[in-house]
Amino acid sequence: AQSVTQPDIHITVSEGASLELRCNYSYGATPYLFWYVQSPGQGLQLLLKYFSGDTLVQGIKGFEAEFKRSQSSFNLRKPSVHWSDAAEYFCAVGLNTGFQKLVFGTGTRLLVSP
Amino acid sequence: DAGVTQSPTHLIKTRGQQVTLRCSPKSGHDTVSWYQQALGQGPQFIFQYYEEEERQRGNFPDRFSGHQFPNYSSELNVNALLLGDSALYLCASSLGQGRDYQPQHFGDGTRLSIL
Repeated sequence: AQSVTQPDIHITVSEGASLELRCNYSYGATPYLFWYVQSPGQGLQLLLKYFSGDTLVQGIKGFEAEFKRSQSSFNLRKPSVHWSDAAEYFCAVGLNTGFQKLVFGTGTRLLVSP
Repeated sequence: DAGVTQSPTHLIKTRGQQVTLRCSPKSGHDTVSWYQQALGQGPQFIFQYYEEEERQRGNFPDRFSGHQFPNYSSELNVNALLLGDSALYLCASSLGQGRDYQPQHFGDGTRLSIL
């Protein structure tokens, strides 16, 4: 069965420091991979997506992610974190078996310290 | 360009009651998916509607049902509410079936609390 693992429940980063959020997936075919961000009381906003091609993808708000097939990973990175980046981050696998559906990880809560 | 809109934003019900949640998809989108997000968890897929039919269903009981209208808007109905149904219910819209994968766009959700 398809699954997504985000091993870090919480991460605290100092403002201005770099960030890496981990994501590992289990899926038999070539995955469609996504990172979404959720601020408190809000829905999910798409940060970036990987469908094919260049394994380093750029997203909004200065985020990037790298797809590594050999490690089944799709880690999210940002070189310099801002206080406004504090939120919950979800990695997801998109299953396109004719009907599109997302399987999410349990999320990583990012805290930004001054 | 309006995004995905959901109503109501908050709802309080008691056990055994029934509830209907509503979703209008992003302009131009024809597919609506519903997800349940329990506190501290990632969203879980409930079902997806396309061409007014339920196309795929997650691991949810028959108490959860839905509908899609000709204008692509959708409703999620939950009968015989249980305490465990308390969650944020998210609607997502996308374009097309069987085409190149299209990202899903989410609304802000309906927070359902069961007393």
